[in-house]
Amino acid sequence: DAGVIQSPRHEVTEMGQEVTLRCKPISGHDYLFWYRQTMMRGLELLIYFNNNVPIDDSGMPEDRFSAKMPNASFSTLKIQPSEPRDSAVYFCASSLTPFTGLSSPLHFGNGTRLTVT
Amino acid sequence: AQSVAQPEDQVNVAEGNPLTVKCTYSVSGNPYLFWYVQYPNRGLQFLLKYITGDNLVKGSYGFEAEFNKSQTSFHLKKPSALVSDSALYFCAVRRSQGNLIFGKGTKLSVKP
Repeated sequence: DAGVIQSPRHEVTEMGQEVTLRCKPISGHDYLFWYRQTMMRGLELLIYFNNNVPIDDSGMPEDRFSAKMPNASFSTLKIQPSEPRDSAVYFCASSLTPFTGLSSPLHFGNGTRLTVT
Repeated sequence: AQSVAQPEDQVNVAEGNPLTVKCTYSVSGNPYLFWYVQYPNRGLQFLLKYITGDNLVKGSYGFEAEFNKSQTSFHLKKPSALVSDSALYFCAVRRSQGNLIFGKGTKLSVKP
């Protein structure tokens, strides 16, 4: 089991550029979560999917953020245009039904550290 | 509204001494509580969970947590700390909607 795989590990970009973060969940997991971690705000849930369908995107900060899950093995989080305040570590996590940790914990990827200058 | 608080930003312990990392929660109904650990440049890893049953829950790497309903606490403990336990520890509670809310995290530093 390779675990949750995120790419890239580090991304440095200039303000105004488009950024795409990628995630491959653990095979067979049908819940996928995107989190953002900053010193100021801690770990925030941005959006989560069940069977590739977005269930709750209330944590997405602005319309500049969008997420997709075209199939069970791939998801993207896109920021367009990026801003310096988007600098953070973005984590993807997946879990197996039933939902969220009661019988199966969340499995996190190693994150993407995004720096927007 | 459900919430979780970790009152200490950092805990310092000498190797071999017992450690406690504190967590308090606020939920309506029965709480589902979790502890995760994060090592540098890594994602969070599951340590243990409380769903129901015994108030003392045992988890990975020798850690345990004590659920106290009257004090609404779920403190993480280990009888003898190791230098390798140094990491960031997160307490989490399950929301009624099903997803987890994480605390701000507590940095544990174990000195030799």
